[in-house]
Amino acid sequence: SQQGEEDPQALSIQEGENATMNCSYKTSINNLQWYRQNSGRGLVHLILIRSNEREKHSGRLRVTLDTSKKSSSLLITASRAADTASYFCALDSWGKLQFGAGTQVVVTP
Amino acid sequence: EAQVTQNPRYLITVTGKKLTVTCSQNMNHEYMSWYRQDPGLGLRQIYYSMNVEVTDKGDVPEGYKVSRKEKRNFPLILESPSPNQTSLYFCASSLLGTGYNEQFFGPGTRLTVL
Repeated sequence: SQQGEEDPQALSIQEGENATMNCSYKTSINNLQWYRQNSGRGLVHLILIRSNEREKHSGRLRVTLDTSKKSSSLLITASRAADTASYFCALDSWGKLQFGAGTQVVVTP
Repeated sequence: EAQVTQNPRYLITVTGKKLTVTCSQNMNHEYMSWYRQDPGLGLRQIYYSMNVEVTDKGDVPEGYKVSRKEKRNFPLILESPSPNQTSLYFCASSLLGTGYNEQFFGPGTRLTVL
């Protein structure tokens, strides 16, 4: 079974900067989702991008999907301390949702 | 309030003592799923259910059982827990199968098996 691989594993930035993280995968998917997790709590859905979409926006979040390269990126613009969390990509393969190991993002004031 | 609830939130038990972690959702979702989260491994799917009486294995089903007798409930059963099942467990639900829907996660159950 496949899993998304996030890169980098950890990211430390200052408030106001942008944060970019990437997710790569190996086989075809139905859609790709991004989730956020604050310190051991439940995951919160951020964005879902379908395999026939290339880019999606939600507030300060921008997600791209390149199915030819089998990769996706999540960009958080103008980061805030409250964005400190772990971010996971999740690959939807028709019923199974498979998560990567996540990117830990720390935003310092 | 729309939510997924799990009980208990924390559990310490001993090897071999059967336990059940309950999961309930009040959103009339058809799809429910269990995950375990371990450091460095992300979340791994244990079992999922597309609807009542329909369950399927995820990536790490060994040592676990589930049942889906009612739409709202999806309990996770460990018949004979072992230390390698010490983990953080999450239940999640979505309106339909994951294909076009976000998943809503419960708060998690931290299980320690001694």
